Amino acid sequence: DAKTTQPPSMDCAEGRAANLPCNHSTISGNEYVYWYRQIHSQGPQYIIHGLKNNETNEMASLIITEDRKSSTLILPHATLRDTAVYYCIVGYNFNKFYFGSGTKLNVKP
Amino acid sequence: NAGVMQNPRHLVRRRGQEARLRCSPMKGHSHVYWYRQLPEEGLKFMVYLQKENIIDESGMPKERFSAEFPKEGPSILRIQQVVRGDSAAYFCASSPQYGGSLDTQYFGPGTRLTVL
Repeated sequence: DAKTTQPPSMDCAEGRAANLPCNHSTISGNEYVYWYRQIHSQGPQYIIHGLKNNETNEMASLIITEDRKSSTLILPHATLRDTAVYYCIVGYNFNKFYFGSGTKLNVKP
Repeated sequence: NAGVMQNPRHLVRRRGQEARLRCSPMKGHSHVYWYRQLPEEGLKFMVYLQKENIIDESGMPKERFSAEFPKEGPSILRIQQVVRGDSAAYFCASSPQYGGSLDTQYFGPGTRLTVL
């Protein structure tokens, strides 16, 4: 029972920034926001996670609103290899993750 | 640092046979999670184990499925008397024992089970 809402699909032009939204209005105070992606049918690949503050790593940036009810994953320069299903998850480590349906990101040349 | 390893990557069984799926966590990780993914669906949690302990099996079907994570060796997900509905991809994830706020679950490549 996913606690997040994501658009089913999005398109992005290669080289452009991809902004993937996620709503998690019922998030509790100590729950983190995690992002994973699944390319074809491979194992989910960890991207980034955060609690309150915005986070950035070599793959992406995570912007969390002040009320923590929504977040946006930003891929700054999308490539064709970023085509995948992106999952937004709220929860804790050492606990089960709920995967919803995710957002199918299509990066087009 | 090798990632989470799963074997076999593909497994074909006939109805009524047993399936054994193995997962070796990342080095230094002592928490293992199993998830199942049916075609065109998201992953569904099955079970969470630590060494020699089942912590949460709320997603595991009550019959035919079992999991273990012994003191030595990989974690095993066992499915007895498989049926066609068990055909799916089974993913294992691991996390470290003393993970801080920066740690999370890291997934293996999965085992694709096909039941004929």
